[in-house]
Amino acid sequence: DGGITQSPKYLFRKEGQNVTLSCEQNLNHDAMYWYRQDPGQGLRLIYYSQIVNDFQKGDIAEGYSVSREKKESFPLTVTSAQKNPTAFYLCASSMVGAGSGNTIYFGEGSWLTVV
Amino acid sequence: AQKVTQAQTEISVVEKEDVTLDCVYETRDTTYYLFWYKQPPSGELVFLIRRNSFDEQNEISGRYSWNFQKSTSSFNFTITASQVVDSAVYFCALSEISNSGYALNFGKGTSLLVTP
Repeated sequence: DGGITQSPKYLFRKEGQNVTLSCEQNLNHDAMYWYRQDPGQGLRLIYYSQIVNDFQKGDIAEGYSVSREKKESFPLTVTSAQKNPTAFYLCASSMVGAGSGNTIYFGEGSWLTVV
Repeated sequence: AQKVTQAQTEISVVEKEDVTLDCVYETRDTTYYLFWYKQPPSGELVFLIRRNSFDEQNEISGRYSWNFQKSTSSFNFTITASQVVDSAVYFCALSEISNSGYALNFGKGTSLLVTP
């Protein structure tokens, strides 16, 4: 089936540890995005990438890192520098950019909890 | 500054009632796109509609309808004859070329509860 796959669905992290959230898409989309969702805050953009080997910071990039070595994959690493990482993380993708008229589609999300 | 405002945090209606979710946006771009997404309890965001800034025609899809008015910078969403399955959080979002490569800028969402 075509779509966006995020893993793991649930992840627990000890303080001081880095964790990586996986995002894979088989939609042949050029652009990929990572959003963070907190209760009552809506979704906020962490990083985005419009082409392989290139990515840009979003509104809340501090404490996060990404890579885009393959078109299909856009993993997000939550580093120990992120002081409040407990949240719901959503990966998304689109053809080139939503402004070109293409819709952004989302994965099922990953819950990260710091213990 | 918040670019997309969804003033209604929570709405509760009884099944079969009509309900309108409000969305007001702010942009200086002449070309932009507006979206509505539904987020059920499972968490995944489900795309509902996309509208570009040059198309002010209202749209109807089954029980869903959307009213886009550039004069008031609003893109409201109406559910007719609501059903329990409509219970979810609904997000309005704006896409502009001037902002992060067209990445979506979301409102804070409206939580809709439809009771039997």
